[in-house]
Amino acid sequence: GAGVSQSPRYKVTKRGQDVALRCDPISGHVSLYWYRQALGQGPEFLTYFNYEAQQDKSGLPNDRFSAERPEGSISTLTIQRTEQRDSAMYRCASSFRDRDEQYFGPGTRLTVT
Amino acid sequence: AQKVTQAQTEISVVEKEDVTLDCVYETRDTTYYLFWYKQPPSGELVFLIRRNSFDEQNEISGRYSWNFQKSTSSFNFTITASQVVDSAVYFCALLTNYGQNFVFGPGTRLSVLP
Repeated sequence: GAGVSQSPRYKVTKRGQDVALRCDPISGHVSLYWYRQALGQGPEFLTYFNYEAQQDKSGLPNDRFSAERPEGSISTLTIQRTEQRDSAMYRCASSFRDRDEQYFGPGTRLTVT
Repeated sequence: AQKVTQAQTEISVVEKEDVTLDCVYETRDTTYYLFWYKQPPSGELVFLIRRNSFDEQNEISGRYSWNFQKSTSSFNFTITASQVVDSAVYFCALLTNYGQNFVFGPGTRLSVLP
């Protein structure tokens, strides 16, 4: 497909479990971003990559959150020992170059029970 | 620190009315980028416009227009002759040279009534 894809679209997990969220950016896009969006709020930055290098992870809430993009394409956001407060929509975006407009994926709705 | 304020939480208009969505930003950086995104009820985020800090020329795209005023740190968005399909949450966002992260405003929910 031409757009950013994310999987799974919905994830329900029990508190304490680890989850891995996947993002497949638009082909050829250098930059990849992860955001978290709570209901009724704007997206909140988590981390971002240029190619495979993680440029900024200042938005990751704590050390249970991590992300990787080992080959400069697909990225995985991992949340360890999930907690109920981690429940949110997790969105991925990509851009052709730094500071270009970002194109967002459909998001993964994470529910921690 | 970077900040984006969208003071209007919700706006309701009747179809064919013009409506302006306000966006005020804060940054100490002299080079920055401003964006507007639309989030319709279906939930996706749709890119509308990108403007860099050196280009203060206003832009018009169909029924949409944007007014960038550096003197007041504002980047307002006007929809002319609004339509029901314009109903969505609209986010203004700021990207500066000191970080690659977007700072999003809280959004303005626009309801266009038939």
